[in-house]
Amino acid sequence: NAGVMQNPRHLVRRRGQEARLRCSPMKGHSHVYWYRQLPEEGLKFMVYLQKENIIDESGMPKERFSAEFPKEGPSILRIQQVVRGDSAAYFCASSPFVLAGNEQFFGPGTRLTVL
Amino acid sequence: KQEVTQIPAALSVPEGENLVLNCSFTDSAIYNLQWFRQDPGKGLTSLLLIQSSQREQTSGRLNASLDKSSGRSTLYIAASQPGDSATYLCAAVEETSGSRLTFGEGTQLTVNP
Repeated sequence: NAGVMQNPRHLVRRRGQEARLRCSPMKGHSHVYWYRQLPEEGLKFMVYLQKENIIDESGMPKERFSAEFPKEGPSILRIQQVVRGDSAAYFCASSPFVLAGNEQFFGPGTRLTVL
Repeated sequence: KQEVTQIPAALSVPEGENLVLNCSFTDSAIYNLQWFRQDPGKGLTSLLLIQSSQREQTSGRLNASLDKSSGRSTLYIAASQPGDSATYLCAAVEETSGSRLTFGEGTQLTVNP
């Protein structure tokens, strides 16, 4: 049973370009979470999605960031017009369903560098 | 707003020592608390998950305890090994959110041979 998969593992973009980060949850998992780890900082929650629905986006920056989890295919975190401050490690986690106390399993992360 | 704090920020010990990592959280209304390990440049590996109704969980040389009323959790590592060197993170799920993890900043552990 493959774990959570993220690609690309490393992504380099110039300021103003778009970044697309993909996350494939574990088999049988229908809930996806995105977290961001800025340099020298802890992990911060960004968004929680189920298939075709955004459940909680309280941690998403108001502009330039969007996320989706379509019926088919991976979850996508999209960052438009990237700036240097977007350089960070972006982690995706998945869980099979949401009950009180459900465990989240993390992917290896995508390390975004903005030049 | 939930805040999670981990002490110490860094710890260096000789191989074979038993050690304790501390985690505290400000809002005791949590569903669970999870301990992770993060190696440099890598993702997170889940170590132990303690439900709010539980007092402790054990896996091999690791034992995690939870005192929800005082807002504290500890991770005990027995007979430490150089391979245990990593950053250890604790994270809590609040009852109000139901899903999102709030992370501490981590304890960077170095076990010297």
